[in-house]
Order: sequence, then C-alpha cells, then structure tokens
Amino acid sequence: EVQLVESGGGLIQPGGSLRLCCAASGFTVSSNFMSWVRQAPGKGLEWVSVIYSGGNTYYADSVKGRFTISRDNSKNTLYLQMNSLRAEDTAVYYCARAPPDGLLYWVFDYWGQGTLVTVSS
Amino acid sequence: DIVMTQTPLSSPVTLGQPASISCRSSQSLVHSDGNTYLNWLQQRPGQPPRLLIYKISNRFSGVPDRFSGSGAGTDFTLKISRVEAEDVGVYYCMQATQFPLTFGGGTKVEIK
Repeated sequence: EVQLVESGGGLIQPGGSLRLCCAASGFTVSSNFMSWVRQAPGKGLEWVSVIYSGGNTYYADSVKGRFTISRDNSKNTLYLQMNSLRAEDTAVYYCARAPPDGLLYWVFDYWGQGTLVTVSS
Repeated sequence: DIVMTQTPLSSPVTLGQPASISCRSSQSLVHSDGNTYLNWLQQRPGQPPRLLIYKISNRFSGVPDRFSGSGAGTDFTLKISRVEAEDVGVYYCMQATQFPLTFGGGTKVEIK
C-alpha cells in the first residue's frame, strides 16, 4: 500500500529555516517523480517543487533560491529544506508522487496528509 | 504561467442531482508528447487532496463512476451524475503540462 507521511512542520520565526520530511512506503521514492504542494490557510493549492527520478529539480518562482528539494534513497524519504522563511510561506505542505511510466506517468496519484508550517514572530 | 480558471466558485446541489464544474486554461494543455495533463482533485473538509480524474477523463482507482471528466485543449469539465453526501468538498483542476504546475482556484460543492 502506498503511503506518504509528512513531518517537520511547526512554528518558526521569519528568516528562519525548517526541513520537512516525507517518509514513503509501498514504493521507491527514487524511482518516481516526487513533489511538494502547499496550501495556505483557507486558500487553494500551490505547487512548490518537484524532483525527477533522474535527480533534476524544479521550483516555483516564489521559493526558488530559498527552498531545496532532495531525497535520501536509503531512507526512502523526500525532503524540503526551507530557508529564509516568510510569513507568506505559512501553509500546510503536502508531498505527492507521480509514477515515472505507465498509464499514470506524470500523474500525482498519491498525496500525504500534510504538515503545517507557520511563519510568525 | 498557465492560468487555470474554474467556475462556479460554489455549487449548492440537491442530493441525487447532477453537478458540473468547468475549468478553462489560458493556453492549450496538449503536451508535446501528445498527452493532456489535466487532472481533477477532490479535497473533503479537513482532508488532503485526492486524485479523482487524470488526463482529462480517466477515473483513478476506487473513484465511483458517477464522476466523469471531459474536454480538450483549453476547456474541461468535471461532472458528478448524482451528488452524494460524501461528495461535499472543494474540487480543483490541475495542469501538469508545463512548469510551473498550476491549479484552479477551486469549486466548493455543498448540499442545498
């Protein structure tokens, strides 16, 4: 069974750093596209970043240069390192996976429960 | 960036009646590989998003057949043939044809 469990959220002051984790089970993180999507309180969904199975990474302009997506193959875990945090980064952060081939190629089919990041002084 | 526009913002529906949500993209979602990466997600209250429909019209595993997707190019529709109480929530269209990936603003389906 595919499962994604995020952790690492919390309250952080503006300018601070936080690392989010997404522990996967039921599939191999390094063989899939893995993404982070966020949702500000009461708002819609916003794509943040993706890492390809080959290692290429892409970011939304709003986080480029501040956030870094990565993975640890030995732990089957996805990460999001968030630096220089701003109030507008306050959101629930979801990880999601997309298979690298087949009918569901590049379709984000499974999502985690999310972890809340609050940036406030 | 591709802008995804959903209408209506809210859809009050009587149980057992149909509902329809429109999603329009600011440019064609046909990818150079021939696929159209337009997906529909459901977010029930207090829950994470859940994939309903992928590549315009394919129902994801476990999704009831009362949900259907259609469209092409820049105009897409999600239909619920007979709304049930468990369908209450916000529905989002999402394009993955071009970076940055973008979402519609969401349509809230509620029971009258």
